Amino acid sequence: IAGITQAPTSQILAAGRRMTLRCTQDMRHNAMYWYRQDLGLGLRLIHYSNTAGTTGKGEVPDGYSVSRANTDDFPLTLASAVPSQTSVYFCASSDFPGDNYGYTFGSGTRLTVV
Amino acid sequence: RKEVEQDPGPFNVPEGATVAFNCTYSNSASQSFFWYRQDCRKEPKLLMSVYSSGNEDGRFTAQLNRASQYISLLIRDSKLSDSATYLCVVNRVSGTYKYIFGTGTRLKVLA
Repeated sequence: IAGITQAPTSQILAAGRRMTLRCTQDMRHNAMYWYRQDLGLGLRLIHYSNTAGTTGKGEVPDGYSVSRANTDDFPLTLASAVPSQTSVYFCASSDFPGDNYGYTFGSGTRLTVV
Repeated sequence: RKEVEQDPGPFNVPEGATVAFNCTYSNSASQSFFWYRQDCRKEPKLLMSVYSSGNEDGRFTAQLNRASQYISLLIRDSKLSDSATYLCVVNRVSGTYKYIFGTGTRLKVLA
């Protein structure tokens, strides 16, 4: 593992199903983030975690939940998927919240809810 | 008005051309600024930070104009490999640190 690993790479999911998108980093970064990217809307923050054990809501948190039990893992759960959650999901991390050295992104999960 | 606005393009330029993108931001409290590059179906990657005095990295020059609240990215001697979407990012402290992403400007460098 080098950087951030996201799984799965892509998924087709039936509406109403529960799904967890996985994100693991090996950089010992304190802060982690989940974004969704939609055409014309850019990247929007779903949830974030400034340090292990803490989480916060971003711009579009409804329908999603996160946990941060340790430094390395930051899973994103869709409790009951809806078609509007069809998107590309990126996990990112930084050494500190608002790190001026920028964020490192994972390669993304392309999710289609049908 | 969006907090961060970019011309979506596409900017179609020939190889070797110089091209410039602007990005405007609405919150005067914004403190840090970045340009990211995103290739098709790939993750965003940090291209460069934008400093108050302006900064250069090879063929790329970034500038900040706080008075007019915009940042710019200049690419000289464009290469085919520069074809990508360029995202303007503003880091604004507002209780929680948060990056605001522009929707991106698409650049196509033509042979």
